[in-house]
Amino acid sequence: AQSVAQPEDQVNVAEGNPLTVKCTYSVSGNPYLFWYVQYPNRGLQFLLKYITGDNLVKGSYGFEAEFNKSQTSFHLKKPSALVSDSALYFCAVRDEAGFQKLVFGTGTRLLVSP
Amino acid sequence: SAVISQKPSRDICQRGTSLTIQCQVDSQVTMMFWYRQQPGQSLTLIATANQGSEATYESGFVIDKFPISRPNLTFSTLTVSNMSPEDSSIYLCSVEGGEGATEAFFGQGTRLTVV
Repeated sequence: AQSVAQPEDQVNVAEGNPLTVKCTYSVSGNPYLFWYVQYPNRGLQFLLKYITGDNLVKGSYGFEAEFNKSQTSFHLKKPSALVSDSALYFCAVRDEAGFQKLVFGTGTRLLVSP
Repeated sequence: SAVISQKPSRDICQRGTSLTIQCQVDSQVTMMFWYRQQPGQSLTLIATANQGSEATYESGFVIDKFPISRPNLTFSTLTVSNMSPEDSSIYLCSVEGGEGATEAFFGQGTRLTVV
Protein backbone atom coordinates (compact mmCIF):
# COMPACT_ATOMS: atom_id res chain seq x y z
CA ALA A 1 0.00 0.00 0.00
CA GLN A 2 1.17 3.49 -0.74
CA SER A 3 1.95 5.98 2.00
CA VAL A 4 3.32 9.46 2.50
CA ALA A 5 5.23 10.92 5.43
CA GLN A 6 5.66 14.59 6.24
CA PRO A 7 8.00 14.52 9.22
CA GLU A 8 7.57 18.14 10.26
CA ASP A 9 4.30 19.42 11.71
CA GLN A 10 5.52 22.98 11.30
CA VAL A 11 8.30 24.81 9.49
CA ASN A 12 9.30 28.34 10.46
CA VAL A 13 11.28 30.55 8.12
CA ALA A 14 12.01 34.24 7.82
CA GLU A 15 10.78 36.14 4.80
CA GLY A 16 13.39 36.18 2.05
CA ASN A 17 15.04 32.98 3.21
CA PRO A 18 14.80 29.70 1.32
CA LEU A 19 12.27 27.17 2.52
CA THR A 20 12.03 23.39 2.36
CA VAL A 21 9.04 21.26 3.29
CA LYS A 22 9.92 17.58 3.46
CA CYS A 23 8.03 14.60 2.06
CA THR A 24 8.93 10.94 1.73
CA TYR A 25 6.81 8.28 0.11
CA SER A 26 6.34 4.57 -0.30
CA VAL A 27 4.76 2.86 -3.31
CA SER A 28 5.16 -0.54 -4.87
CA GLY A 29 5.66 0.78 -8.40
CA ASN A 30 6.64 4.13 -9.86
CA PRO A 31 5.13 7.09 -8.03
CA TYR A 32 3.06 10.00 -9.14
CA LEU A 33 3.73 12.76 -6.61
CA PHE A 34 1.81 15.95 -5.88
CA TRP A 35 1.98 19.00 -3.65
CA TYR A 36 -1.07 20.95 -2.54
CA VAL A 37 -1.50 24.08 -0.43
CA GLN A 38 -4.42 24.94 1.81
CA TYR A 39 -5.07 28.48 2.97
CA PRO A 40 -7.40 29.10 5.93
CA ASN A 41 -11.07 28.39 5.14
CA ARG A 42 -10.17 27.27 1.64
CA GLY A 43 -9.98 24.02 -0.26
CA LEU A 44 -6.74 22.52 -1.49
CA GLN A 45 -4.93 24.15 -4.38
CA PHE A 46 -2.67 22.16 -6.67
CA LEU A 47 0.94 23.39 -6.72
CA LEU A 48 2.93 20.90 -8.80
CA LYS A 49 3.41 17.28 -9.70
CA TYR A 50 6.10 14.81 -10.68
CA ILE A 51 5.22 12.17 -13.21
CA THR A 52 8.43 11.39 -15.07
CA GLY A 53 11.42 13.14 -16.55
CA ASP A 54 13.40 15.94 -14.95
CA ASN A 55 13.76 15.44 -11.22
CA LEU A 56 13.27 19.14 -10.53
CA VAL A 57 9.68 20.17 -11.06
CA LYS A 58 8.54 23.79 -11.15
CA GLY A 59 5.07 24.80 -10.10
CA SER A 60 2.85 27.69 -9.11
CA TYR A 61 3.85 30.74 -7.03
CA GLY A 62 7.60 30.11 -7.46
CA PHE A 63 7.55 26.71 -5.77
CA GLU A 64 9.57 23.76 -7.00
CA ALA A 65 10.12 20.21 -5.82
CA GLU A 66 12.93 17.76 -6.22
CA PHE A 67 12.23 14.10 -6.82
CA ASN A 68 14.87 11.76 -5.41
CA LYS A 69 14.20 8.13 -6.21
CA SER A 70 17.00 6.67 -4.11
CA GLN A 71 15.81 8.54 -1.03
CA THR A 72 12.11 8.19 -1.95
CA SER A 73 11.66 11.88 -1.30
CA PHE A 74 9.85 14.77 -2.93
CA HIS A 75 10.74 17.88 -0.95
CA LEU A 76 9.02 21.17 -1.70
CA LYS A 77 11.28 24.20 -2.02
CA LYS A 78 11.21 27.91 -2.69
CA PRO A 79 14.32 30.10 -3.00
CA SER A 80 12.83 33.11 -1.21
CA ALA A 81 9.84 32.78 1.13
CA LEU A 82 7.02 35.31 1.34
CA VAL A 83 4.77 35.98 4.32
CA SER A 84 1.85 35.11 2.03
CA ASP A 85 3.28 31.59 1.63
CA SER A 86 2.16 30.84 5.20
CA ALA A 87 -0.31 27.99 4.85
CA LEU A 88 -0.78 24.24 5.27
CA TYR A 89 1.06 22.10 2.71
CA PHE A 90 0.16 18.54 1.79
CA CYS A 91 2.20 16.00 -0.12
CA ALA A 92 0.29 13.22 -1.92
CA VAL A 93 1.21 10.10 -3.85
CA ARG A 94 -0.42 7.69 -6.20
CA ASP A 95 1.03 4.44 -7.52
CA GLU A 96 1.16 4.44 -11.33
CA ALA A 97 -0.19 0.89 -11.51
CA GLY A 98 -3.80 1.16 -12.55
CA PHE A 99 -6.26 3.15 -10.56
CA GLN A 100 -5.06 3.83 -7.06
CA LYS A 101 -6.49 6.40 -4.72
CA LEU A 102 -4.56 9.52 -3.91
CA VAL A 103 -2.95 9.24 -0.47
CA PHE A 104 -2.13 12.40 1.48
CA GLY A 105 0.47 13.13 4.09
CA THR A 106 -0.44 14.64 7.43
CA GLY A 107 0.41 18.15 6.32
CA THR A 108 3.08 20.68 7.29
CA ARG A 109 2.21 24.14 8.48
CA LEU A 110 4.55 26.75 7.05
CA LEU A 111 4.93 30.00 8.97
CA VAL A 112 6.88 32.78 7.29
CA SER A 113 7.75 35.64 9.61
CA PRO A 114 8.27 39.21 8.36
CA SER B 1 -8.42 22.56 -14.66
CA ALA B 2 -11.90 22.13 -13.22
CA VAL B 3 -13.83 24.73 -11.24
CA ILE B 4 -15.73 23.21 -8.36
CA SER B 5 -18.48 24.95 -6.41
CA GLN B 6 -19.37 23.48 -3.06
CA LYS B 7 -22.33 24.51 -0.91
CA PRO B 8 -22.77 25.36 1.89
CA SER B 9 -19.36 26.75 2.78
CA ARG B 10 -20.08 26.28 6.46
CA ASP B 11 -22.90 25.27 8.77
CA ILE B 12 -23.64 24.72 12.41
CA CYS B 13 -26.02 21.83 12.99
CA GLN B 14 -27.77 20.21 15.90
CA ARG B 15 -26.82 16.67 16.79
CA GLY B 16 -29.17 14.06 15.38
CA THR B 17 -29.94 16.06 12.25
CA SER B 18 -28.61 15.60 8.72
CA LEU B 19 -26.83 17.93 6.32
CA THR B 20 -26.55 17.58 2.56
CA ILE B 21 -23.51 19.09 0.85
CA GLN B 22 -23.63 19.89 -2.85
CA CYS B 23 -20.77 19.80 -5.33
CA GLN B 24 -21.09 21.28 -8.83
CA VAL B 25 -18.34 21.00 -11.45
CA ASP B 26 -18.02 23.21 -14.52
CA SER B 27 -17.26 20.27 -16.81
CA GLN B 28 -18.25 16.64 -17.13
CA VAL B 29 -16.09 14.32 -15.05
CA THR B 30 -16.13 10.59 -14.64
CA MET B 31 -15.12 10.35 -11.03
CA MET B 32 -15.92 12.54 -8.05
CA PHE B 33 -14.51 12.06 -4.58
CA TRP B 34 -15.56 13.07 -1.10
CA TYR B 35 -12.96 13.66 1.61
CA ARG B 36 -13.14 14.47 5.31
CA GLN B 37 -10.57 16.63 7.03
CA GLN B 38 -10.91 16.46 10.78
CA PRO B 39 -9.53 19.35 12.83
CA GLY B 40 -5.76 19.49 12.56
CA GLN B 41 -5.57 16.34 10.48
CA SER B 42 -5.01 15.25 6.91
CA LEU B 43 -7.55 14.33 4.28
CA THR B 44 -9.30 10.99 4.48
CA LEU B 45 -11.17 9.63 1.49
CA ILE B 46 -14.80 8.84 2.32
CA ALA B 47 -16.01 7.49 -0.99
CA THR B 48 -15.72 7.58 -4.76
CA ALA B 49 -18.83 8.52 -6.72
CA ASN B 50 -19.33 7.44 -10.33
CA GLN B 51 -22.34 8.46 -12.34
CA GLY B 52 -24.84 5.66 -12.79
CA SER B 53 -23.52 3.39 -10.08
CA GLU B 54 -23.42 3.21 -6.32
CA ALA B 55 -20.63 4.99 -4.55
CA THR B 56 -17.63 3.00 -3.36
CA TYR B 57 -16.91 3.60 0.31
CA GLU B 58 -13.56 3.39 2.06
CA SER B 59 -12.99 1.34 5.16
CA GLY B 60 -14.66 2.96 8.15
CA PHE B 61 -17.34 4.77 6.15
CA VAL B 62 -20.81 3.39 5.42
CA ILE B 63 -23.62 4.37 3.13
CA ASP B 64 -26.17 4.74 5.93
CA LYS B 65 -24.06 7.42 7.57
CA PHE B 66 -22.78 9.13 4.39
CA PRO B 67 -25.23 8.57 1.54
CA ILE B 68 -24.00 9.94 -1.77
CA SER B 69 -25.86 10.81 -4.94
CA ARG B 70 -24.37 11.25 -8.41
CA PRO B 71 -27.26 12.03 -10.75
CA ASN B 72 -25.12 13.30 -13.66
CA LEU B 73 -21.54 13.97 -14.72
CA THR B 74 -21.33 17.45 -13.18
CA PHE B 75 -23.03 17.12 -9.80
CA SER B 76 -22.87 15.12 -6.58
CA THR B 77 -24.16 15.36 -3.04
CA LEU B 78 -22.90 13.99 0.25
CA THR B 79 -25.24 13.72 3.22
CA VAL B 80 -23.93 13.49 6.76
CA SER B 81 -26.68 11.69 8.62
CA ASN B 82 -27.66 11.58 12.28
CA MET B 83 -24.82 13.90 13.12
CA SER B 84 -22.79 13.89 16.32
CA PRO B 85 -20.05 16.29 17.47
CA GLU B 86 -17.49 13.80 16.16
CA ASP B 87 -18.69 14.60 12.64
CA SER B 88 -17.42 18.17 12.98
CA SER B 89 -14.95 18.42 10.11
CA ILE B 90 -14.26 20.00 6.78
CA TYR B 91 -15.82 18.00 3.96
CA LEU B 92 -14.22 18.39 0.54
CA CYS B 93 -15.39 17.45 -2.91
CA SER B 94 -12.74 16.57 -5.48
CA VAL B 95 -12.52 15.62 -9.12
CA GLU B 96 -9.77 14.04 -11.17
CA GLY B 97 -9.18 11.83 -14.14
CA GLY B 98 -9.01 8.80 -11.91
CA GLU B 99 -5.76 7.32 -13.08
CA GLY B 100 -2.11 8.02 -12.82
CA ALA B 101 -0.84 11.39 -13.75
CA THR B 102 -3.87 13.58 -13.37
CA GLU B 103 -3.97 15.90 -10.41
CA ALA B 104 -7.04 16.36 -8.26
CA PHE B 105 -8.98 19.59 -7.98
CA PHE B 106 -10.91 20.51 -4.88
CA GLY B 107 -13.90 22.54 -3.90
CA GLN B 108 -13.45 25.14 -1.18
CA GLY B 109 -14.84 22.75 1.41
CA THR B 110 -17.75 22.73 3.82
CA ARG B 111 -16.87 23.46 7.42
CA LEU B 112 -19.36 21.57 9.56
CA THR B 113 -19.78 22.11 13.27
CA VAL B 114 -22.15 19.85 15.18
CA VAL B 115 -23.38 21.10 18.53
